[in-house]
Amino acid sequence: DQQVKQNSPSLSVQEGRISILNCDYTNSMFDYFLWYKKYPAEGPTFLISISSIKDKNEDGRFTVFLNKSAKHLSLHIVPSQPGDSAVYFCAAKTWSALNFGKGTSLLVTP
Amino acid sequence: NAGVMQNPRHLVRRRGQEARLRCSPVKGHSHVYWYRQLPEEGLKFMVYLQKENIIDESGMPKERFSAEFPKEGPSILRIQQVVRGDSAAYFCASSPRQGRNEKLFFGSGTQLSVL
Repeated sequence: DQQVKQNSPSLSVQEGRISILNCDYTNSMFDYFLWYKKYPAEGPTFLISISSIKDKNEDGRFTVFLNKSAKHLSLHIVPSQPGDSAVYFCAAKTWSALNFGKGTSLLVTP
Repeated sequence: NAGVMQNPRHLVRRRGQEARLRCSPVKGHSHVYWYRQLPEEGLKFMVYLQKENIIDESGMPKERFSAEFPKEGPSILRIQQVVRGDSAAYFCASSPRQGRNEKLFFGSGTQLSVL
């Protein structure tokens, strides 16, 4: 049962434009949300997180928005750079472990 | 390198053999998590361990799979009598403590191929 869903397997964006990656979740017990970035043959690396008591968290070019009523979060990357090309995983946390979505592969083209 | 270390990076086994995957967490981290990534899939939680204790094994298959995190040494994920369906990337992660706002640090994974 997939509790964290990323419905877009891939996204292509031009360099300099905004990338928006979306994520939906079903479990209302989740109260901490994270985005991880993954390059091929490497482990996921932490990018940005947000607690359920907030609706926005910003770190440089990366902003995560949380809409609890819709059980939806999104990651905005602006401006997008070719080095951002990777697979992005949305994750949601309960007391023990992270639950991951299937990922969105982002390609930023020059 | 103070990150999560996994070895081997690649492991090839024939059906019926045993696979042992090792994970050394970040120095000072006492919480270890194992995840599996099948082709075209996300990361699936398998097991969460603290030193010498299994805290949550709800994602672990009931048979053939076991995990340990001894007082000394790395955490080990053991798969007995491997089958082709066990072929996947296995990632280990660690955190310094348990808490709702704790992020996990991941290793580079072990790619298991079963022939």
